[in-house]
Amino acid sequence: QKEVEQDPGPLSVPEGAIVSLNCTYSNSAFQYFMWYRQYSRKGPELLMYTYSSGNKEDGRFTAQVDKSSKYISLFIRDSQPSDSATYLCAMTRGSSASKIIFGSGTRLSIRP
Amino acid sequence: EAQVTQNPRYLITVTGKKLTVTCSQNMNHEYMSWYRQDPGLGLRQIYYSMNVEVTDKGDVPEGYKVSRKEKRNFPLILESPSPNQTSLYFCASSQTRERSQETQYFGPGTRLLVL
Repeated sequence: QKEVEQDPGPLSVPEGAIVSLNCTYSNSAFQYFMWYRQYSRKGPELLMYTYSSGNKEDGRFTAQVDKSSKYISLFIRDSQPSDSATYLCAMTRGSSASKIIFGSGTRLSIRP
Repeated sequence: EAQVTQNPRYLITVTGKKLTVTCSQNMNHEYMSWYRQDPGLGLRQIYYSMNVEVTDKGDVPEGYKVSRKEKRNFPLILESPSPNQTSLYFCASSQTRERSQETQYFGPGTRLLVL
């Protein structure tokens, strides 16, 4: 079993819809949770990171962490065609010795 | 402009022919890392470096070498490439290892095909 599971998609939604992207994980020691966005033929770019449980909002994006369920989500409101990309979740224990574990990514397409 | 650069961006080679992929960052970052990205497997760390002359293995180091002689450069060396090293490679850097989850910057990627 992988430490981080992420549905690969593809996920296709109409413009303006609310998008929900999710990851589950098995290691309860993870403390930092990140979401990266990767456009085609580009490197990943950090979209949001959160520490421990709770919600974090940044514009149209909301990251949610439920440590009791080992489940994290990224919500995109008022989705735009420019949001079409692959979204990778990532997590780490956060100590200097810990490594970052990435999900395999969800491919998202927003239809105009 | 703050960035991580990689060269070459695309490379086709044959089994056993040594190659080097260069990585350079202009942000004075201490921490640098190499990943490979394969379909269905996500990003897996190959090697990382906490600072000059300090390197360590990641999850999938077999068949790769690295060096960190200068702070800005972190080349990835494949001494004898094999077809299973066909992949998309990313270099990344961050201020420190402790803050890598907050501020990790990725290069544009190098697509490698080993025949």
